[in-house]
Amino acid sequence: QVQLQESGPGLVKPSQTLSLTCTVSGGSISSGSYYWGWIRQPAGKGLEWIGRFHASGSTNYSPSLMGRVTISVDTSKNQFSLKVSSVTAADTAVYYCAREAPMARATGDYYYGMDVWGQGTTVTVSS
Amino acid sequence: DIQMTQSPSSLSASVGDRVTITCRASQSISTYLTWYQQKPGKAPKLLIYGASSLQSGVPSRFSGSGSGTDFTLTISSLQPEDFATYYCQHTYNSPRTFGQGTKVEIK
Repeated sequence: QVQLQESGPGLVKPSQTLSLTCTVSGGSISSGSYYWGWIRQPAGKGLEWIGRFHASGSTNYSPSLMGRVTISVDTSKNQFSLKVSSVTAADTAVYYCAREAPMARATGDYYYGMDVWGQGTTVTVSS
Repeated sequence: DIQMTQSPSSLSASVGDRVTITCRASQSISTYLTWYQQKPGKAPKLLIYGASSLQSGVPSRFSGSGSGTDFTLTISSLQPEDFATYYCQHTYNSPRTFGQGTKVEIK
């Protein structure tokens, strides 16, 4: 059973870089079937999709964060990471990592959904 | 980017009620629509993918329908454990935007 666990500093100063790691257990991050992504949620607000990567090397990012966000992978540690640069108070949120998996419908076609999530980690941007 | 709009933002219902939540996409997304349930302090849980397919382990009182731009999540008989916030998300392309959420509260 695949499990995800986020880790990283809970407090980051404004203008600095937020760095988080998601450790994958029970499965290989190198599997070609899955995407691995990050989602965040400010307190009391909705979910915001940040980005994802695929074992092929392709990455997708939210345009609202483009230029500030990087998702990378360390296959030797079965981990993937998120970096958000030049943070402000608006980046304060609970950050989740998640696996996006292909799921078959009865018709035989496939659709993606985030079926495994980490528990989330709270990051506060404050001096 | 494709925008996802849910309605209502919140609703109050009683145990046993039939509940319907609507999600509208800003352009056609075929059936590339996923629904999640989130309880306070917890990560979201996948309920439905491909607009209408129930994720393994999800009770059959949950159902989804729709295609193109208009989608619906229905809970046929609301149970105490269903009080939560529900989000739609499209998987048509990137960025995979979420709706703003619908909070289902106890009446």
